[in-house]
Amino acid sequence: SYELTQPPSVSVSPGQTASITCSGDKLENKYVSWYQQKPGQSPVMIIYRDSKRPSRIPERFSGSNSGNTATLTISGTQAMDEADYYCQAWDSSTVVFGGGTKLTVL
Amino acid sequence: EVQLVDSGGGLVKPGGSLRLSCAASGFTFNNAWMSWVRQAPGKGLEWVGHIKSKPDGGTIDYAAPVKGRFTISRDDSKNTLYLQMSSLKTEDTAVYYCTTDVSYVDIVATRAYYFDYWGQGTLVTVSS
Repeated sequence: SYELTQPPSVSVSPGQTASITCSGDKLENKYVSWYQQKPGQSPVMIIYRDSKRPSRIPERFSGSNSGNTATLTISGTQAMDEADYYCQAWDSSTVVFGGGTKLTVL
Repeated sequence: EVQLVDSGGGLVKPGGSLRLSCAASGFTFNNAWMSWVRQAPGKGLEWVGHIKSKPDGGTIDYAAPVKGRFTISRDDSKNTLYLQMSSLKTEDTAVYYCTTDVSYVDIVATRAYYFDYWGQGTLVTVSS
């Protein structure tokens, strides 16, 4: 079965750029979505189809997908961005999630 | 405003059954594809399965760990999605979320499938 691999944790200083990766075989041939989940809350979709951002999501969130790696980039990271982030794709008629990355803003 | 209200969770013994509901509002439910996604305590997200809209065939697909034990259904007259769970195992303990789904196929037939709205979740605990 297809697998998506994320680093368990990423740290960033306030105001800096955070990058969270999601790796999978020939991932560029699939569409990747990203979700943010804060403690005790439901996930929220922040990126879909690799790089598209819902209007309700701040512009500092962006996404890309090339080769075997998709990347979520948060520019000018704020304390409120501290959360778990999950990538997700569709493969062989099933949904696949990455294991999640905890972003710490310190 | 899209609203999804999950309910029906609780404590159940291994081998038991439980039915979850998701009351939907703020969008045209009968045209929506819907999923259940679960999250075990302290763990990541896991897709349970989905149901397409009746105009799109109403097909239901399940993830391997729940196939044959869980049943997804919908009542379009009540704008409600259901998840009937049976033969429950301790590893089914999780928060269960319903979602609204988007399925997009591009010109080279690559499918994007993603979840644009989520319910608040309902906790299912399977324990003796």
